[in-house]
Amino acid sequence: AQSVSQHNHHVILSEAASLELGCNYSYGGTVNLFWYVQYPGQHLQLLLKYFSGDPLVKGIKGFEAEFIKSKFSFNLRKPSVQWSDTAEYFCAVNAGTNAGKSTFGDGTTLTVKP
Amino acid sequence: NAGVMQNPRHLVRRRGQEARLRCSPMKGHSHVYWYRQLPEEGLKFMVYLQKENIIDESGMPKERFSAEFPKEGPSILRIQQVVRGDSAAYFCASSSSGSLSYEQYFGPGTRLTVT
Repeated sequence: AQSVSQHNHHVILSEAASLELGCNYSYGGTVNLFWYVQYPGQHLQLLLKYFSGDPLVKGIKGFEAEFIKSKFSFNLRKPSVQWSDTAEYFCAVNAGTNAGKSTFGDGTTLTVKP
Repeated sequence: NAGVMQNPRHLVRRRGQEARLRCSPMKGHSHVYWYRQLPEEGLKFMVYLQKENIIDESGMPKERFSAEFPKEGPSILRIQQVVRGDSAAYFCASSSSGSLSYEQYFGPGTRLTVT
């Protein structure tokens, strides 16, 4: 069964700091990878996704992620965070024959101090 | 183009009552997924349905929980005889296909509180 691991449970940064959130998955075959953001009191929004092609994926709000197949990783990055980026971030994977469902990591709470 | 809609947004039930959560997928989507988010945790897959069919219910508790997606109308997640541990946010997602290359769109969730 596939699994997703997000190593950082809570990250605290100051505005303008750079961000990298780790995500590793366990599945050896073809995968689709996602990062979602959940702002306080709101529902999940898709930040970016990787299906195939260029492993460096650019998403909304200045976020990007790099798929490194050899490391089974899909880390999320942003060069300069803003206070409004305070939210919970979830990495998710669809894989193999379980294409009908996504497996989510436990999430990383990002707090950006003004 | 309306997104995925869920109602109610908040639901309070006493222990032993039934909870009914509704999900209307995006227009043109015939695949629906239900997820549960417990406090401090990520989303956990519960069930995947197409119209009138349950495709994958591997994440559903064996008892008290059921789901349907009738030919007409929204998908329903039903929890009978609720207990405090059922308190969670329940999210619905939909897609136009169940194949690997289609992303899921999420609704705003229903927050169930069992008192």
